[in-house]
Amino acid sequence: DAGVTQSPTHLIKTRGQQVTLRCSPKSGHDTVSWYQQALGQGPQFIFQYYEEEERQRGNFPDRFSGHQFPNYSSELNVNALLLGDSALYLCASSYHTGELFFGEGSRLTVL
Amino acid sequence: GENVEQHPSTLSVQEGDSAVIKCTYSDSASNYFPWYKQELGKRPQLIIDIRSNVGEKKDQRIAVTLNKTAKHFSLHITETQPEDSAVYFCAACDSNSGYALNFGKGTSLLVTP
Repeated sequence: DAGVTQSPTHLIKTRGQQVTLRCSPKSGHDTVSWYQQALGQGPQFIFQYYEEEERQRGNFPDRFSGHQFPNYSSELNVNALLLGDSALYLCASSYHTGELFFGEGSRLTVL
Repeated sequence: GENVEQHPSTLSVQEGDSAVIKCTYSDSASNYFPWYKQELGKRPQLIIDIRSNVGEKKDQRIAVTLNKTAKHFSLHITETQPEDSAVYFCAACDSNSGYALNFGKGTSLLVTP
């Protein structure tokens, strides 16, 4: 079992650019959540996808969007990048019980 | 929305001592309270969780207590070991609205030999 896998692991972008991050959930999981973790902070909930629809959303602007595919994998898109978007982006998958399994994250640096 | 406060932000103990981390939450609808351990450069990993129908849960050297009336919950680690050194996060959510966890800011635990 590969667990939750994310790509890319690291990336550097400049202000105003767009980025797409990818996540494959743990085998058997159908729900994917995305979190933003700034340096020295706890993860902040961005949104959650279930059955290819956004089920819940945290306090993030519309520049943050996502998608879930029929195979339960997911993408996080961020448009018009700001310096403040620099963070570790964590994907977590789950199935009903709520226990979240996190991936290793994608570290985004915006210059 | 839910607000989770976590204290202390840093904690240093000697090997073999106990460590206690405390969290408070604001939303009375919250009913699921997990604790995550995150080692440097690694992903958060669930170490223990508790639901609102239980007051205490224990797993070997780790225990969690929940006081619904006071809206606070605590993590207790006994007989600490150097490998317990990490950042610990508490979280809370209303499972009936989906498991959108609200995390505390973390406690950096250092266990010195």
